[in-house]
Parts: sequence; structure tokens; C-alpha cells
Amino acid sequence: LAKTTQPISMDSYEGQEVNITCSHNNIATNDYITWYQQFPSQGPRFIIQGYKTKVTNEVASLFIPADRKSSTLSLPRVSLSDTAVYYCLVVWENRDDKIIFGKGTRLHILP
Amino acid sequence: GAVVSQHPSWVICKSGTSVKIECRSLDFQATTMFWYRQFPKQSLMLMATSNEGSKATYEQGVEKDKFLINHASLTLSTLTVTSAHPEDSSFYICSASSGGTGNQPQHFGDGTRLSIL
Repeated sequence: LAKTTQPISMDSYEGQEVNITCSHNNIATNDYITWYQQFPSQGPRFIIQGYKTKVTNEVASLFIPADRKSSTLSLPRVSLSDTAVYYCLVVWENRDDKIIFGKGTRLHILP
Repeated sequence: GAVVSQHPSWVICKSGTSVKIECRSLDFQATTMFWYRQFPKQSLMLMATSNEGSKATYEQGVEKDKFLINHASLTLSTLTVTSAHPEDSSFYICSASSGGTGNQPQHFGDGTRLSIL
């Protein structure tokens, strides 16, 4: 049973807003949602974290509906340098297999 | 803030050699550190979790005698791949968190590319 589910890949164009949705149907009360960005041959970089509703920082927004069974990372006005793999991570606090990274979304930004 | 330094970034060595990888949190105290392994075009796979001063908790299928983890201080954890063989070749990534729970995000090092000949 997949812990989190994301689209495998997405393409977009420079200057566009990109929304990547992650499904986490089994999220529990104490679980937070965190998004990371990874470039080839580098470690993941923290983007944003949230628990409910909306969180915004200088690089992204995170939208979480009331049932928290999904979340959407929104990247405003992407550039070529945003081409990367994006992972949503839910740390399943009350389970033995706490941390499982999903397959991520490979975002390709076109000029 | 929240910088994690990982060294070395790249290692090539002969089969049978032991290799040590260091992970340091430079500007915060890392209560918990994590070690991951990543194969090409695949996701990160958690190998073990360590808390300062205590033994690491290994994920199922990860040999603790093969992958020795030491979390001796709040800013340093090491992973030693003992008697490495070609199948151990991979990209190893550490992360550190100021808390042990999900509301404290992990901050990752830049990884170590290990190639065993």
C-alpha cells in the first residue's frame, strides 16, 4: 500500500505556475506534510512544511484541504532551474515504517 | 540556516575496503540523524535512524554489522560501510533534524557517491 502518491512526471513552461498534488489517504492526526526538491547528485532540499490549510514561504505555497488526505505544492512563476524531482513526505508518527519517500514527481521546465 | 555538511562527496575504492562517511550539522543541534541510500533514478530509501548517544535503529533488510552508524555528538554522525563490495556502490545521503518527530523537517547533506571496484 503506497504511503504517498504523486504524478511520476510533469512538464511546464517558464513563467507558469506549477501545482503538484500528493495523495496521502492514511494520514493520521499527528502527521505533518513536508515537501523536498532534489537535483541530480545532490541531497534533497527542504521546500515547505504544513499541517493544515495554507502555508506560504518565499519559494512556494502548500495547500492542504480540511480532510488532509492530499496536499498541493504550488510553485509560482517557475524557471528552468526549477527542473528537479519533488517529493512529498509524510512522517507516519505512529507506525513502525515511519519514513518512506515515495517515487517523487519529475518536473521538467521548458523554455 | 540548517546546513548539513557531508564528506566525502565522492569515493572510489577497492573491494574489501571500509569507507567512513561523515555528516555534520553546522548551525543547529541534530537530535536525530538519518542515513539514506539512493540508486539511480530511484527514490531515497531509509537505512537507519540515530539519536545522539544511543544505538541506531536500522530498517528491515539493512545489515547493522555492514553499515556501522555512530552518532557521538549532537552535530556529528558517521556511517562506515565495512568490507565494501561492488553491490554497495550507491549514493548515500544523510539528513539531520532538531527533533525526532515529523513536525521538525529533515535537512539533508549533499550525498556521497560510493563506487566500489
